[in-house]
Amino acid sequence: DGGITQSPKYLFRKEGQNVTLSCEQNLNHDAMYWYRQDPGQGLRLIYYSQIVNDFQKGDIAEGYSVSREKKESFPLTVTSAQKNPTAFYLCASRRTGLNSPLHFGNGTRLTVT
Amino acid sequence: QKEVEQDPGPLSVPEGAIVSLNCTYSNSAFQYFMWYRQYSRKGPELLMYTYSSGNKEDGRFTAQVDKSSKYISLFIRDSQPSDSATYLCAMSARGTYNTDKLIFGTGTRLQVFP
Repeated sequence: DGGITQSPKYLFRKEGQNVTLSCEQNLNHDAMYWYRQDPGQGLRLIYYSQIVNDFQKGDIAEGYSVSREKKESFPLTVTSAQKNPTAFYLCASRRTGLNSPLHFGNGTRLTVT
Repeated sequence: QKEVEQDPGPLSVPEGAIVSLNCTYSNSAFQYFMWYRQYSRKGPELLMYTYSSGNKEDGRFTAQVDKSSKYISLFIRDSQPSDSATYLCAMSARGTYNTDKLIFGTGTRLQVFP
């Protein structure tokens, strides 16, 4: 089955450590996205990438970094500079084109203590 | 003021009830409207996708868009306990950021009890 795989499902880290969240898709989608979801807030866009080797900052990119070396993969690194890293992180992808909806993975819950 | 407003709920209804979920928005440029369903600890899944004004029906679900009032609704008929989830509205303006940047509501938590 085609889909988006995020791993791990739960991740625990100590403050001051960088951590990388994995996102892999086999939908052959060109565009990939990272969102953060916090209680009482809508999904907020962190980074997105429309093609391999290219990505743009979203609304809350500070303290995060990404890479897009392969079409299928879009890992997100949460750095120690991110002030409130504990959250639910969602990866999504879509075909390029104005009418294509987003497809989401099942998320990674990151807890930093 | 947020671009998209959505009542967080929770909304609790008995099985078989008709459910109405709503979002209001302020950006008149929004043209694409979506509803996502999100079960606990899962990613959102697309339920309905509409363009411009009018109604769209899919089984027990009906999406309604009123652009003049900047108001969208999702109706669920004959609600089931399996419909218990958080429902997110999302919308975008044509060409924004060249990628149809989606703006999401905060989500409404729905509970359907037997």
